[in-house]
Amino acid sequence: KAGVTQTPRYLIKTRGQQVTLSCSPISGHRSVSWYQQTPGQGLQFLFEYFSETQRNKGNFPGRFSGRQFSNSRSEMNVSTLELGDSALYLCASSPLAAQETQYFGPGTRLLVL
Amino acid sequence: SQQGEEDPQALSIQEGENATMNCSYKTSINNLQWYRQNSGRGLVHLILIRSNEREKHSGRLRVTLDTSKKSSSLLITASRAADTASYFCATDADTGFQKLVFGTGTRLLVSP
Repeated sequence: KAGVTQTPRYLIKTRGQQVTLSCSPISGHRSVSWYQQTPGQGLQFLFEYFSETQRNKGNFPGRFSGRQFSNSRSEMNVSTLELGDSALYLCASSPLAAQETQYFGPGTRLLVL
Repeated sequence: SQQGEEDPQALSIQEGENATMNCSYKTSINNLQWYRQNSGRGLVHLILIRSNEREKHSGRLRVTLDTSKKSSSLLITASRAADTASYFCATDADTGFQKLVFGTGTRLLVSP
């Protein structure tokens, strides 16, 4: 099976812009989770989607949002970008649950200038 | 917020030596997992140990779990240069056990 894919791999934006990141999970996986990784805060859970519904959400402002499509592909959106949003954004999928083994994509590295 | 704290933060060893990393967590868990991350890339799942298990092996990896002390250790035997990476523990400890919470990570450097 193909692994988790994320696009784009690298992105440069300026403050105030918005960005959309995409994630395609492993075929058959219905749970998709998003994480933000920064040197200062480490790996932080953003949210999890299952069957097009957000099941769980981390402690991030409303500028961070996501959605999942019927084919389990997921997107996350960050509006009104801030410098502190510069990070590696990781998507992970699992067959059923966010607390079970996660299969991670390569990540999207976002730089906000 | 971080659930797990890894110790040490960084570890430097020679090829062939064993590497031991420790993880402590704060609340009850159903499972604890270890992941590896190579230099800014995605994480790779190594092993999952459930709360009713005390030890688990996978190849050169050995994981122990002590729920009374809320701690786990990852032992990599006969380390290779290719083991150079950051290692993270993750627990499902949170309201409803519905997500993973990652520790701060241990950076392992294995020198030839």
